Amino acid sequence: AQSVTQLDSHVSVSEGTPVLLRCNYSSSYSPSLFWYVQHPNKGLQLLLKYTSAATLVKGINGFEAEFKKSETSFHLTKPSAHMSDAAEYFCVVSVGTGFQKLVFGTGTRLLVSP
Amino acid sequence: DGGITQSPKYLFRKEGQNVTLSCEQNLNHDAMYWYRQDPGQGLRLIYYSQIVNDFQKGDIAEGYSVSREKKESFPLTVTSAQKNPTAFYLCASGGLAGEGETQYFGPGTRLLVL
Repeated sequence: AQSVTQLDSHVSVSEGTPVLLRCNYSSSYSPSLFWYVQHPNKGLQLLLKYTSAATLVKGINGFEAEFKKSETSFHLTKPSAHMSDAAEYFCVVSVGTGFQKLVFGTGTRLLVSP
Repeated sequence: DGGITQSPKYLFRKEGQNVTLSCEQNLNHDAMYWYRQDPGQGLRLIYYSQIVNDFQKGDIAEGYSVSREKKESFPLTVTSAQKNPTAFYLCASGGLAGEGETQYFGPGTRLLVL
């Protein structure tokens, strides 16, 4: 069965330093992978998605993620954190064809200090 | 202005009462979804619909019901059979393409029990 594991429940960084949010997936075939961001009491916003094209995926707000099949990883990075990046981040794998079932990780809360 | 709207933002339920959460989309998407979010957990699928007048149970459908009479609307009813309804409820919509089709989320409804 497809699943995702977000390796850190909380990540703390200082403003201006790099961000790394880790995600490992389990899939019996080449998956579609997403990163979504959720600010407090808000809906989820798509940051980026991987769908078997380029392995390095660029998203909004300076985020990017690299699909590494050999490591079954899809880590999210950003070179320089901004205070507005503080939020909950979800790594998501898509399963099925036709009907798009999403399987969510448990989330990583990113804290950004001045 | 395209998007997904959910109402109300906050909803209070008395014991034994059924309550209905509204979800409307003007993105012309065929598929619509309802998720439940609890603290420290990822989103879990309650119900989904791929076409008008048809819907399927997700992973945690017990105590919930839905209807899909119009393409734009997918209301969720939390029945008195749902013993632990306090959660953040998110509606999403997406196309019916193959793998990798993005789901777009509404702003959510927080349900609280009095």
